[in-house]
Amino acid sequence: SQKIEQNSEALNIQEGKTATLTCNYTNYSPAYLQWYRQDPGRGPVFLLLIRENEKEKRKERLKVTFDTTLKQSLFHITASQPADSATYLCAQGRGSGGYNKLIFGAGTRLAVHP
Amino acid sequence: GAVVSQHPSWVICKSGTSVKIECRSLDFQATTMFWYRQFPKQSLMLMATSNEGSKATYEQGVEKDKFLINHASLTLSTLTVTSAHPEDSSFYICSALFPGQGAGEQYFGPGTRLTVT
Repeated sequence: SQKIEQNSEALNIQEGKTATLTCNYTNYSPAYLQWYRQDPGRGPVFLLLIRENEKEKRKERLKVTFDTTLKQSLFHITASQPADSATYLCAQGRGSGGYNKLIFGAGTRLAVHP
Repeated sequence: GAVVSQHPSWVICKSGTSVKIECRSLDFQATTMFWYRQFPKQSLMLMATSNEGSKATYEQGVEKDKFLINHASLTLSTLTVTSAHPEDSSFYICSALFPGQGAGEQYFGPGTRLTVT
């Protein structure tokens, strides 16, 4: 069955540095990948979506890449701030029709230290 | 825009009772909503897909008679946990599919913490 794998270990970085989180998937290539932020006790917040025919997507300090050869997506936060500390979830979907089911990774917790 | 609310935010109930959780899309109409469950330090697991005006579609292993879903309007879906047991204690999160997006951006509610004693 399809799996989404994220590094379960927390990522600790210094404020101002670039955080890079990894998402690997098995088996089939998804039509798109999504990245979400989740704070403790809260629902996920949508950040970025990248389609299989896109290599890179940017939004302010965020950048996502999608490498179908490596079966991997990388999520970057540049000039990181303590407020970026949260768990980041990768999710894949298969698009067709009116709705799409998402398979989530377990998430990687990011801690940005001042 | 694209705000989804859930009510209640937390609930404690006794074993054997039923609990209803509401999920509302506040500023858009959602023909499709999803219900997830999340255990501590684990990923979100899709339980069912809720479609307005039709029966919900449940994921494998999810008991449809235990987790009743009703999507009566374009802005409201409800999940009722019937005859709740302590093992049903979890964080329940709904999401609504934003209309007009080909690949389906989902907007999530803040979640409902259910504790069954």
